[in-house]
Amino acid sequence: EDKVVQSPLSLVVHEGDTVTLNCSYEVTNFRSLLWYKQEKKAPTFLFMLTSSGIEKKSGRLSSILDKKELSSILNITATQTGDSAIYLCAVEAEGGSEKLVFGKGTKLTVNP
Amino acid sequence: DVKVTQSSRYLVKRTGEKVFLECVQDMDHENMFWYRQDPGLGLRLIYFSYDVKMKEKGDIPEGYSVSREKKERFSLILESASTNQTSMYLCATQLGVRYGYTFGSGTRLTVV
Repeated sequence: EDKVVQSPLSLVVHEGDTVTLNCSYEVTNFRSLLWYKQEKKAPTFLFMLTSSGIEKKSGRLSSILDKKELSSILNITATQTGDSAIYLCAVEAEGGSEKLVFGKGTKLTVNP
Repeated sequence: DVKVTQSSRYLVKRTGEKVFLECVQDMDHENMFWYRQDPGLGLRLIYFSYDVKMKEKGDIPEGYSVSREKKERFSLILESASTNQTSMYLCATQLGVRYGYTFGSGTRLTVV
C-alpha cells in the first residue's frame, strides 16, 4: 500500500530559527513529490520535485528530493510567525490523479 | 471509504461555451476543493468551500466560479471557456484540517 510519512508531526520554534521537515514515501511507480502549506482551510502549492528537478528554492524555503532514500526535506530559514501552518507532503504515482497520496502533515508553530 | 465522483472523465468544449464540472461526495466532509493539474505546475487551487454556500478563492480563481448549494455537491463553472483552461480538473474533499484528502478521478477538459 502506498504511503507517505511526515515527521515530526508538530514543531514549535522561535522566530529566526531554521527548521527541517521530513517526508518519506513508499509508492509504486513514483512520479513526483509535492509540498503544500495549509493555513486555516486549504493547502497551497509550494514545490513539486521530480527525477529531473530534485531541488527547488523559493525565498526562505527550499526542498530536496532524495530518490535513493525515498525521502524529501523542506527547509525554512529565518522563520517568521507567518510560516506557522501545516506543511503537507504528497506523492504522485504513475497512473493518474487517484494515486496522489498525502502525508498527515507537520504542524509548525513559530512563536515571536 | 469516501467516494468522490466527478461527473465526466473527459470533456471537449468550444471556446466561449459555459462549462459545468460537477463533484459529488458520499460522506459528510466539510471541505471541498477544486484544483487544476498541469504538467510542471503541480496542483493549483482554484476555489474551495468549507461549508454550504461558503466559498473562497484559491490561487487561480480567474475565469472560474463555484457553487455549493448542498453539502455533498461542489460545482466548478467556467463562464466562458478559453483554450488556456484546457487542463485536468480535480475535485477533492477533506473531513477537516489535518485529515487526508480524497480526490475524484479527475476530468480532463479540452477547450478547442
